[in-house]
Amino acid sequence: EDQVTQSPEALRLQEGESSSLNCSYTVSGLRGLFWYRQDPGKGPEFLFTLYSAGEEKEKERLKATLTKKESFLHITAPKPEDSATYLCAVPPGGATNKLIFGTGTLLAVQP
Amino acid sequence: GAGVSQSPSNKVTEKGKDVELRCDPISGHTALYWYRQSLGQGLEFLIYFQGNSAPDKSGLPSDRFSAERTGGSVSTLTIQRTQQEDSAVYLCASSLVGTSRLPYEQYFGPGTRLTVT
Repeated sequence: EDQVTQSPEALRLQEGESSSLNCSYTVSGLRGLFWYRQDPGKGPEFLFTLYSAGEEKEKERLKATLTKKESFLHITAPKPEDSATYLCAVPPGGATNKLIFGTGTLLAVQP
Repeated sequence: GAGVSQSPSNKVTEKGKDVELRCDPISGHTALYWYRQSLGQGLEFLIYFQGNSAPDKSGLPSDRFSAERTGGSVSTLTIQRTQQEDSAVYLCASSLVGTSRLPYEQYFGPGTRLTVT
């Protein structure tokens, strides 16, 4: 069964304390992995797409990487405004028209 | 440019009533998706539109749920005879559709929070 698992469920960091969020997936024939950020009461905001193992994408303090089994979202020197829930998603095997989402990592960055 | 918009932002309804949720996608996006996000749950796919047709309705939880899209743009998700378990945030997303077999990123609206009392 296609599955996406994110860890940890919640993470509390001090401002400037770098860390990584994990997204492991089980899907046949990965056709892309997507990272989103979701603030309370809002819809998910697109961050990155990774299509193949070894690919990396960066945006400000965020860097996403992809292997054949998992993806990491590295957060370097986070700021309080990085606090949000981070979601990863993959298309289920053979599909391109929908996404399976993990339950997310709730990140809190304290000043 | 304008993003995906949804209305209403909040809807409170009594059990057994019908509700309609509206989604206005990004201009030029031919693909439109509906998802549901329940408290403590991940986003759950409901239905996918390519233009005005819905080739994938596999996520609709029951026949009380239906959706349509007109003019390749606005979509309406209708829930008939609402039940308390329908309470959730309903999210709409849109994307481009390319010629490759790789999916494009989906852009989400702010959602409609539905509460069934």
